[in-house]
Amino acid sequence: KNEVEQSPQNLTAQEGEFITINCSYSVGISALHWLQQHPGGGIVSLFMLSSGKKKHGRLIATINIQEKHSSLHITASHPRDSAVYICAVRGSQGNLIFGKGTKLSVKP
Amino acid sequence: NAGVTQTPKFRILKIGQSMTLQCAQDMNHNYMYWYRQDPGMGLKLIYYSVGAGITDKGEVPNGYNVSRSTTEDFPLRLELAAPSQTSVYFCASSYSGGGNEQFFGPGTRLTVL
Repeated sequence: KNEVEQSPQNLTAQEGEFITINCSYSVGISALHWLQQHPGGGIVSLFMLSSGKKKHGRLIATINIQEKHSSLHITASHPRDSAVYICAVRGSQGNLIFGKGTKLSVKP
Repeated sequence: NAGVTQTPKFRILKIGQSMTLQCAQDMNHNYMYWYRQDPGMGLKLIYYSVGAGITDKGEVPNGYNVSRSTTEDFPLRLELAAPSQTSVYFCASSYSGGGNEQFFGPGTRLTVL
């Protein structure tokens, strides 16, 4: 079993829809990261959180430490949100353990 | 600031050849990492460094070597390239360990034929 599981693997939405991507993990963590990988391949960090909720523009990330679960929400989705969204948690070596990613496609 | 830079962007190697993937950062970050990303898989840690002169293995270090002679540079060496090393390689850096934001380079797409 992977230590970090994301769902769904692929997601297609219409512009304007509310989107939720889920991440479950099986290891103890000090922080969980959400990253975005653009179609061109570049990776950028979106959020790093260890409790509660964070918001940046139309993106909201939540985490439930007891349930070992995090969600990434996108409100009023737009075609430019099309990307792969990656969840990662800190491993025992201090490195990040990554999920396989959720590929999001937002249609106009 | 240029952030994290990687060269080359693309490379094709023949089996048995060797090469060095370059990575540099100008943010004075202590921690640097090398990851590989295979299709349909999450990024896997190859090697990491917590400071100049200190390196350690990650999850998938076989077939690779690294060095960290300066804070800025963290080259990844492939000796005797094999088809299994065909992948996209990302270098990243952070001010401190895994609880801090990591900054990624643009990646190097390597094909071994």
